[in-house]
Amino acid sequence: GENVEQHPSTLSVQEGDSAVIKCTYSDSASNYFPWYKQELGKRPQLIIDIRSNVGEKKDQRIAVTLNKTAKHFSLHITETQPEDSAVYFCAAPANQAGTALIFGKGTTLSVSS
Amino acid sequence: KAGVTQTPRYLIKTRGQQVTLSCSPISGHRSVSWYQQTPGQGLQFLFEYFSETQRNKGNFPGRFSGRQFSNSRSEMNVSTLELGDSALYLCASSRTGRASGANVLTFGAGSRLTVL
Repeated sequence: GENVEQHPSTLSVQEGDSAVIKCTYSDSASNYFPWYKQELGKRPQLIIDIRSNVGEKKDQRIAVTLNKTAKHFSLHITETQPEDSAVYFCAAPANQAGTALIFGKGTTLSVSS
Repeated sequence: KAGVTQTPRYLIKTRGQQVTLSCSPISGHRSVSWYQQTPGQGLQFLFEYFSETQRNKGNFPGRFSGRQFSNSRSEMNVSTLELGDSALYLCASSRTGRASGANVLTFGAGSRLTVL
């Protein structure tokens, strides 16, 4: 089955800096890679996703890149703000037959002002 | 449009007891999946239901079970509770049965289970 590894587990940056979180996956058939943000005490919420036929996708200060050959994808946050502080999870489909996702173990991002 | 609703939000049980958690998906969503969230292990997939059928199951012991009803509401049950079952149990629903950008998983607020 799919396995997702995520690094780093914690990341501290100054406000205005960029932050990068990296994930690798094991199943070459995986074709959909979402990123979820979970603020303290709240539910995970989708912030951006990418399909395997696209190499990069941007949404304002957030971007995701995908390298299918190397089987890794990354989340890039530019001009970080204190409200970006949260736990970020990457994910990939458990298989091609449903909606189940396998998540990385999460990255706790702290943005200090 | 109401979101994913999970009940109860908090509960405390003792070892050996059983617990049933409920999840009502977004109206029109037919797929429901369950995840266990713990500080050390992150979000771990439990099982997924679509049109009352279990489609996928994660690597959890048989004490963990679930079902889905004809109105897409789902329940999960944990029998013979152990201390290690203390966690936040999250339910997520999606419109169809396939993971894709057009079929986003939307999470509920979770049920926090404490086993003493």
